Order: sequence, then C-alpha cells, then structure tokens
Amino acid sequence: DAKTTQPPSMDCAEGRAANLPCNHSTISGNEYVYWYRQIHSQGPQYIIHGLKNNETNEMASLIITEDRKSSTLILPHATLRDTAVYYCIVQSGSRLTFGEGTQLTVNP
Amino acid sequence: SQTIHQWPATLVQPVGSPLSLECTVEGTSNPNLYWYRQAAGRGLQLLFYSVGIGQISSEVPQNLSASRPQDRQFILSSKKLLLSDSGFYLCAWSVLSTAYSPLHFGNGTRLTVT
Repeated sequence: DAKTTQPPSMDCAEGRAANLPCNHSTISGNEYVYWYRQIHSQGPQYIIHGLKNNETNEMASLIITEDRKSSTLILPHATLRDTAVYYCIVQSGSRLTFGEGTQLTVNP
Repeated sequence: SQTIHQWPATLVQPVGSPLSLECTVEGTSNPNLYWYRQAAGRGLQLLFYSVGIGQISSEVPQNLSASRPQDRQFILSSKKLLLSDSGFYLCAWSVLSTAYSPLHFGNGTRLTVT
C-alpha cells in the first residue's frame, strides 16, 4: 500500500471550511483514496473515498489531483463536533494501513 | 443493516494473565475482519486480518494471536499479557468481494495491563 503524508495538526474556525491535505505520491493506478476520522475514544468512522474523480457526500468533499499524487478533504462548514483525528489512506485489496493522521481542532 | 459488536468496552488485567476479546458482525456474510491496536496518542496498528474462516494473516510478531472460528466471529487472544499490550483494540469489517470497500469499526476495547 502507498504511504501517505499528512500534517500532524490543523485548526479551523467554526463555520469555516476545513481543508485537510494528504500527499500520496507513490499511489498506484488501482489504489483508492479513503478518508476516516476518529473522535476521541471511539472507533474510526468512514467519511469518503475516491479513485480519480472528485467526490461529494453528505459529510465532505474529496478533491483528488489529476496526477493522483495528492488529495484534499473538505468539510464545507466545520462544527465543533468535527474536532477529530482525520486519516488519509490509500488502499487496494484487503489490507488497510493507517498513518498518524491530522488532528483537526475546530475553534468557536 | 450491518452491525459490529465488540466486548468488553474496558478491561483491566494483570501482567501474565490471559486475554480474550471477541468481535461479531451481523447483517453480512463472509466479511473481511480486522484487529487493530492504538497506543495512547498514536495511530492505528494493524495486528491481524482475515478473509475467511480459519484464514488469519499476522502483521506484527508479538504475543497476541487471532482466530476466526465462525464466519462473523473474530477473537483476539493472548496467553500471557505484557505491560506493552495496553491500548485501544479495535475490530473492523469490510466487504470481501468488492474492489473498494470501507472499513466499519466497532467501538473498541480499552485494555489496561497493570
């Protein structure tokens, strides 16, 4: 599985968009990009995934660059409840490896 | 709908004692099953995964073992716990047959070895 690189922490004001970057320069053609988040003391929660095209669901948007070497998770209107560790993962097949993620803190 | 159950939620065990954590999935057949561990303030470490009954892949050599006696049951065990086994243990499942499939996690077991 390709390695990902994320900033260790980010801050965002409540109501503003939170843009979380992820680098995955060694991604291969059949690997998907997944995003999860983990609120303190809970199991991680799936957010969104994509292969080539940008994706949007009720939780977030995922922007993948044309060369697929990086992506950005966008929370359009961050709330205090979005404070969590966000993990970016690239995967094909059965085995998923999580990195250290980005601690997003949404401030009032 | 699919659900995943882990128990117990918290556990305090002395060093050298045995361990058995159980995870069951409902509402799906033949899932991939996973055990992860998370040390305090750290990311998730994949311990074991299984693509079928009796099929276990180990990611990290340690004093832990996993078994899958039934299709939707995954058990994490140890004969003798070490202090370093303390952590947050998470079970997860995904769909076996699709090329892309998110992981769905349980609520975890917080293990403290004293």
